[in-house]
Amino acid sequence: GAGVSQSPSNKVTEKGKDVELRCDPISGHTALYWYRQSLGQGLEFLIYFQGNSAPDKSGLPSDRFSAERTGGSVSTLTIQRTQQEDSAVYLCASSLAVRVYNEQFFGPGTRLTVL
Amino acid sequence: DQQVKQNSPSLSVQEGRISILNCDYTNSMFDYFLWYKKYPAEGPTFLISISSIKDKNEDGRFTVFLNKSAKHLSLHIVPSQPGDSAVYFCATTGGGSQGNLIFGKGTKLSVKP
Repeated sequence: GAGVSQSPSNKVTEKGKDVELRCDPISGHTALYWYRQSLGQGLEFLIYFQGNSAPDKSGLPSDRFSAERTGGSVSTLTIQRTQQEDSAVYLCASSLAVRVYNEQFFGPGTRLTVL
Repeated sequence: DQQVKQNSPSLSVQEGRISILNCDYTNSMFDYFLWYKKYPAEGPTFLISISSIKDKNEDGRFTVFLNKSAKHLSLHIVPSQPGDSAVYFCATTGGGSQGNLIFGKGTKLSVKP
């Protein structure tokens, strides 16, 4: 079956521009997560959505970052006024629910480069 | 400050031998741990997990050991195969009800034929 998909796979942008990254979770998965991996670092949690509940935004590094999840499915991560330190691989994951023992399935990521 | 630490950025092992990847954590309240495997240009994939009520979990060639008193876990792969070459991430769900995972920086395993 289809896994988590993300688009674009690569994005190069200029400092100060806004970018949108898209995630299509596995059908039926109610929980969706965004992480990022900067060079030489582990995965850093950004935000997660669970059904219709308010998202947990505790990992967002600044107010330039925001995310939406429409219709409980597709999610968009938006970075406004990008900075060079935003360069990273942005990974999306989904799971059946936000529960401790639910496996998270990851997409291939979007590599963002801010020049 | 890192809550999950993988102090070895890389490990090289001969095919057929054992690979041991280590992970330390800081908070004794953490109660569920996972290992993910990542190939280049792909997302991480779940490998094996362990709950704090156990000290060992085995799945085929993969075994995870948990030492709660030392706040340490390790992943053993035996025998190692070239296809195991990847970056391995240790992660925890933390000790609360949050859903996000807390990851280490990863260890790059190279298994040489």
